[in-house]
Amino acid sequence: TQLLEQSPQFLSIQEGENLTVYCNSSSVFSSLQWYRQEPGEGPVLLVTVVTGGEVKKLKRLTFQFGDARKDSSLHITAAQPGDTGLYLCAGARDNQGGKLIFGQGTELSVKP
Amino acid sequence: EPEVTQTPSHQVTQMGQEVILRCVPISNHLYFYWYRQILGQKVEFLVSFYNNEISEKSEIFDDQFSVERPDGSNFTLKIRSTKLEDSAMYFCASRRVGPYNEQFFGPGTRLTVL
Repeated sequence: TQLLEQSPQFLSIQEGENLTVYCNSSSVFSSLQWYRQEPGEGPVLLVTVVTGGEVKKLKRLTFQFGDARKDSSLHITAAQPGDTGLYLCAGARDNQGGKLIFGQGTELSVKP
Repeated sequence: EPEVTQTPSHQVTQMGQEVILRCVPISNHLYFYWYRQILGQKVEFLVSFYNNEISEKSEIFDDQFSVERPDGSNFTLKIRSTKLEDSAMYFCASRRVGPYNEQFFGPGTRLTVL
């Protein structure tokens, strides 16, 4: 069974601080997605990484896929209260339409 | 921007009753999925559907569950005889044919079984 472990589970920081969320597995993934989920809503896709070592930036968010494609990180620079939410990583074993395996999520709270 | 839609947003039912959850995937997408999320737990895969047939299903997706694409736009999940433990958020997702497994999720249906 492939598992994705996210850490930390909860993170409470002040506005302006930087943070990193980690997503780790012992298995290789063909691609890895990061989603953001608001309470009572569906996950919203932020980014997909597919190549080992790949780095993608989305404004103040930086996503990295590990060289071995077993882990990923999300780094937020100068966090803002609007970044508050649940961040989920999800891995795919194949890119042919297979299921996504989700981590348990990181609940981020950014206080003004 | 196109998005996945789901109805109803909230369904309350009695144990043993049948429910049908409906989804309209993004129009040019060909892969369809159902996931569920029990309160406080991970999002879990239920089933994937492609070319009018199930391509993969999880252990959760037993004989009480079925999926259907009755027309060119809807994708449904039926639970024949609901149990208390079926209470969860059910998410539909879809993706297009392409090199990346990018799945787009609907807003979910909250199913409450009493």
